[in-house]
Amino acid sequence: AQSVTQLGSHVSVSEGALVLLRCNYSSSVPPYLFWYVQYPNQGLQLLLKYTTGATLVKGINGFEAEFKKSETSFHLTKPSAHMSDAAEYFCAVKGAGSYQLTFGKGTKLSVIP
Amino acid sequence: KAGVTQTPRYLIKTRGQQVTLSCSPISGHRSVSWYQQTPGQGLQFLFEYFSETQRNKGNFPGRFSGRQFSNSRSEMNVSTLELGDSALYLCASSLNPGQGVAEAFFGQGTRLTVV
Repeated sequence: AQSVTQLGSHVSVSEGALVLLRCNYSSSVPPYLFWYVQYPNQGLQLLLKYTTGATLVKGINGFEAEFKKSETSFHLTKPSAHMSDAAEYFCAVKGAGSYQLTFGKGTKLSVIP
Repeated sequence: KAGVTQTPRYLIKTRGQQVTLSCSPISGHRSVSWYQQTPGQGLQFLFEYFSETQRNKGNFPGRFSGRQFSNSRSEMNVSTLELGDSALYLCASSLNPGQGVAEAFFGQGTRLTVV
């Protein structure tokens, strides 16, 4: 069984400030972890993924995430927020051999000019 | 390379009717998954098809069904629509998510409104 918890349904940051979106997971098997972004009335776009190996993963648009097994976390960060980053972000987990993604409830990011 | 295409983008149906949604995966992708997105429940897995076989099904009533054709295109059907079926239905395609990490690519979704 797998589950994902995203802390904070809404996060607001000022333009240029650090973005930190939190994700904790549980999985009975080694997990694969993903962050997706969704803009209004759009589908999901993959930002980055963790498979195995390097625990710091770099994605598109300047985002990165660090896999911490001891903390069962996969937090998403970006050093400097841009207005175009305003969207909803979803963390997802997939167990090895599984056919489905299990998503968190999402975090809506607002960027204040 | 064309992305995942879902049709139609918007749909309005009346309670009790049935509806069919279509998904064309990325060329070469043989796995298609469906997800329902609502404000209250978030993103929930419906089912996954690979090579015309349903490999996994989420916790949804039997009114929700799907199929996959030999060209990997997929359809999902919802019969006897209820107001609670109003949602964004997302289709995702991947090479084969059961082997290693085949990431899922999502379409733009079909917004279903049941009145």
